[in-house]
Amino acid sequence: DAKTTQPPSMDCAEGRAANLPCNHSTISGNEYVYWYRQIHSQGPQYIIHGLKNNETNEMASLIITEDRKSSTLILPHATLRDTAVYYCIVRVKAAGNKLTFGGGTRVLVKP
Amino acid sequence: GAVVSQHPSRVICKSGTSVKIECRSLDFQATTMFWYRQFPKKSLMLMATSNEGSKATYEQGVEKDKFLINHASLTLSTLTVTSAHPEDSSFYICSARVNSGKSSGANVLTFGAGSRLTVL
Repeated sequence: DAKTTQPPSMDCAEGRAANLPCNHSTISGNEYVYWYRQIHSQGPQYIIHGLKNNETNEMASLIITEDRKSSTLILPHATLRDTAVYYCIVRVKAAGNKLTFGGGTRVLVKP
Repeated sequence: GAVVSQHPSRVICKSGTSVKIECRSLDFQATTMFWYRQFPKKSLMLMATSNEGSKATYEQGVEKDKFLINHASLTLSTLTVTSAHPEDSSFYICSARVNSGKSSGANVLTFGAGSRLTVL
């Protein structure tokens, strides 16, 4: 699976949009981009995933660049409960569904 | 939505004893489950893949005789930490695959809330 690079931490203001970047310059054509988050002392939670088109659900939007070498997770209106570690993972379906977690981005939403 | 339940959420045991952690898929069947461990301020590390009706597949460096995994039914996988030592103290998390329903065919994982093991 392709390696991802995320900033170790970032702060954002409550009520504002939070834009979380992820670089995956070695991504291959059949690899999906997945985002999960882990709130302190809880199990990870799935957020969104995509292949090449931008995606949106009730939690977030995923913007994937045309060359697919990077993506951005957007939390449209960050709340204090969005404080968590956010993981960007790229994976082929054939990898048996197991996920390998990197360091992620520790997001702190401030009032 | 799909729910994965872990029990116990917290356990404290004495060094040398064995501890069993259960992982259940509550409203779906899971032929495959995954066990992770996480040390404080560290990322999750995959330990093994639990396969219903067959032997688990362990990641490199994980002792299969130390961490016994049993997946006897489509809704239950157990992880037993045998002869636990203080260095086994960690946050253990299980997950199961859920069909995302998207035409892309990609699948997502649902995670349990985790089990915090403290070995004295």
